[in-house]
Amino acid sequence: DIQMTQSPASLSASLGETVTIECRASEDIYNGLAWYQQKPGKSPQLLIYNANSLHTGVPSRFSGSGSGTQYSLKINSLQSEDVASYFCQQYYNYPPTFGAGTKLELK
Amino acid sequence: QVQLKESGPGLVQPSQTLSLTCTVSGFSLTSYHVHWVRQPPGKGLEWMGVMWSDGDTSYNSALKSRLSISRDTSKSQVFLKMSSLQTEDTATYYCARDNEHTTGIPDYWGQGVMVTVSS
Repeated sequence: DIQMTQSPASLSASLGETVTIECRASEDIYNGLAWYQQKPGKSPQLLIYNANSLHTGVPSRFSGSGSGTQYSLKINSLQSEDVASYFCQQYYNYPPTFGAGTKLELK
Repeated sequence: QVQLKESGPGLVQPSQTLSLTCTVSGFSLTSYHVHWVRQPPGKGLEWMGVMWSDGDTSYNSALKSRLSISRDTSKSQVFLKMSSLQTEDTATYYCARDNEHTTGIPDYWGQGVMVTVSS
């Protein structure tokens, strides 16, 4: 199975700040990467797929980039509603595997 | 609109079998794949398996010996059965619809059902 290593595990940032979360795959996943947002007590919501494609209805302050084994999620101009946990997931190979998550809090 | 809803017992005794139902609306099980994903309290997400639109299934190898996924298309329901439950199987269990263009991307999720394994 492909291992996904996500960093940092937790992150504290101020409103309006730009935040970056990293995800590294144990092998090349050829942009087969998605990012999810999960708010407390809620189910995960798809943000980005194919490493850099924004899912329908997701605000443009979210963006994804990367290639090969290294990927990142950037949140521009952090809003209070962005407080959540974020997970990366590879789907290049079955089984799909997830990163351990990044908990984003407000400073 | 697309909806999925999990249902099942909130408490299961150790060594017993868990049975969950995912009832969907807004799409056909013969056109979309449906995943099961679980999340232990405070932890990350684990993909469990998938019911393919053609009725076939695939499972996480770590769970394969204990897991069975089936469906009733007439009732728009997908079922999960997992045997020999242990405390480490305590988790929120989600069903999720696969993306219509690229497989392996759950893009619509149910609200989840919390299952506690305890005597």
